[in-house]
Amino acid sequence: ELKVEQNPLFLSMQEGKNYTIYCNYSTTSDRLYWYRQDPGKSLESLFVLLSNGAVKQEGRLMASLDTKARLSTLHITAAVHDLSATYFCAVDGTKETSGSRLTFGEGTQLTVNP
Amino acid sequence: DTEVTQTPKHLVMGMTNKKSLKCEQHMGHRAMYWYKQKAKKPPELMFVYSYEKLSINESVPSRFSPECPNSSLLNLHLHALQPEDSALYLCASSQGLPRWADTQYFGPGTRLTVL
Repeated sequence: ELKVEQNPLFLSMQEGKNYTIYCNYSTTSDRLYWYRQDPGKSLESLFVLLSNGAVKQEGRLMASLDTKARLSTLHITAAVHDLSATYFCAVDGTKETSGSRLTFGEGTQLTVNP
Repeated sequence: DTEVTQTPKHLVMGMTNKKSLKCEQHMGHRAMYWYKQKAKKPPELMFVYSYEKLSINESVPSRFSPECPNSSLLNLHLHALQPEDSALYLCASSQGLPRWADTQYFGPGTRLTVL
């Protein structure tokens, strides 16, 4: 059974600071996703990481994937209040069907304080 | 356009009611999904439709019945629900193939309350 663990689960940080969220998963997978969810809202796709060593950046967020270590990181640079949200990583655990079968981590609730 | 729409936004129903949730996408996606999300928890996959055929059922109770009338529409029929079924129900869609391009796009969700 595929298990996905995120840490930390709660993160309170000051504006302007840097921090990293970690996502570990238990079985081999070739695709990892990061999503953002604002309170009471749906999930917004941030990044898709498809191969070992993949790195993607969008604004103050940068995601990377190490498939050998089964680890992905989401790095936040110079945080701003607008980044406050819950961030989920999700791993695709299927190989035999079309579509994808995502298992989500528990989520990291990020609060950026002025 | 990466929009998935869901209706209704909110639904309150009794345990003896029958209701349906609807999801629609016009992105030409061939895979559609239903998720259940409880407060402060991650989404949990319920069903996957691939090319209008049910490909994954994550051991969901029979009081939830999915239907995919065509490639753009996905329904979730609800009957004899329990209060613990109260949650946010999210629909998502993705291209399906090729798998390397398969990002799931989520709708806004239906917040369901079972009394």
